[in-house]
Amino acid sequence: GAVVSQHPSWVICKSGTSVKIECRSLDFQATTMFWYRQFPKQSLMLMATSNEGSKATYEQGVEKDKFLINHASLTLSTLTVTSAHPEDSSFYICSAQTGYRSRTYEQYFGPGTRLTVT
Amino acid sequence: QQPVQSPQAVILREGEDAVINCSSSKALYSVHWYRQKHGEAPVFLMILLKGGEQKGHDKISASFNEKKQQSSLYLTASQLSYSGTYFCGTEGSGTSYGKLTFGQGTILTVHP
Repeated sequence: GAVVSQHPSWVICKSGTSVKIECRSLDFQATTMFWYRQFPKQSLMLMATSNEGSKATYEQGVEKDKFLINHASLTLSTLTVTSAHPEDSSFYICSAQTGYRSRTYEQYFGPGTRLTVT
Repeated sequence: QQPVQSPQAVILREGEDAVINCSSSKALYSVHWYRQKHGEAPVFLMILLKGGEQKGHDKISASFNEKKQQSSLYLTASQLSYSGTYFCGTEGSGTSYGKLTFGQGTILTVHP
């Protein structure tokens, strides 16, 4: 089946530093990947849509200069949290969509990255 | 707008059945169902598309009524492994492909 990996799975960083999270589709090509964040006991909130070879589309309220997204290849998207602050601490999850702009697709999630900013 | 799931939580004994509902206020193209265990990523269960369909595998099935903008997930003869939080993700008609809005989740606990 479709497998999506994320790295790292867990990271602690100091306030003001930047953190990069990688999302890879291991056995399929994903022209579209999505980045979500999830606070404890809450639902998944879409942050941005990442399309290979083009700029990411951010949801309302998400600072694009703070959450930099790069979709460099059909199997890799990265999320960089710049100048992280404690309020950025969360569970960040990526998903990858099979197929290209197809509505009969399936969306598979990575294992998530837990970010703690001290 | 976030779809509304009901119930918020349900507790079952092994072998019992459960129904989880997902309701949206806007026209839907598709509904996706996921199960998430604590500290893990959501696991894809199934997708239902516009046209009003039902799907199922093993003892988990779902229906989608596009006219009512509702979907239901049916869990029969529940097993301990069914425990987790179930989310529905909805895709509105006319939105970007794949962009899902998730409900608040339904916590399912199955006891021996």
